[in-house]
Amino acid sequence: EVRLVESGGGLQQPGRSLRLSCAASGFIFKNYAMHWVRLSPGKGLEWVSGISWNSADSDYADSVKGRFTISRDNAKNSLFLQMNSLRAEDSALYYCAKDIAPGTGTTDPIFGNWGQGTLVTVSS
Amino acid sequence: IQMTQSPSSLSASVGDRVTITCRASQSIGRYLNWYQKETGKAPKVLIYAASSLESGVPSRFSGSGSGTDFTLTISSLQPEDFATYYCQQSNSSPYTFGQGTKVDIK
Repeated sequence: EVRLVESGGGLQQPGRSLRLSCAASGFIFKNYAMHWVRLSPGKGLEWVSGISWNSADSDYADSVKGRFTISRDNAKNSLFLQMNSLRAEDSALYYCAKDIAPGTGTTDPIFGNWGQGTLVTVSS
Repeated sequence: IQMTQSPSSLSASVGDRVTITCRASQSIGRYLNWYQKETGKAPKVLIYAASSLESGVPSRFSGSGSGTDFTLTISSLQPEDFATYYCQQSNSSPYTFGQGTKVDIK
């Protein structure tokens, strides 16, 4: 069974940083592109970032480009999101999501499995 | 690419046929996916590539369309289908979602 467990969320002040993690199990992690998607009451679902199976490609939403960095450790079946220069509008529930098919890059993402999310609140 | 869903919400009864539409601001071919989001649960993919049913998803769910106009149909609404539904384009980055359609009990 595919399992994705996010952690690292919490309350942080504007301008500060947070690092989210996603622990994956139940599938061959190194074969799949992975993504972060967030859900907020005001904006609904928003794709944040994606990384290819081999880390060769990564991509970001314009709203986070230059502030967030996605990475992965295939040896540890883990996905990360380094979030710098946080803003109030980054407040959301952040989901880790696995692409539906193996061997893909960051293009044509279909989010086949999701974690339960980790809540990020940015406020002074 | 902006994705616009309609309606934003609807009320329906068990057994009803429900149709949700999604319109893209430019042509996206068949790069359109549908998700179901129940309160307190993670989203779940229902349909990908406009009309392909994800494994394990009941056959009462179907998708159609291409280019800019797409439809999700639930042929006979069941109690477990009351949820929010989102479309998502996977044609080009950034991969945008519609604003969601909440289906509740009439």
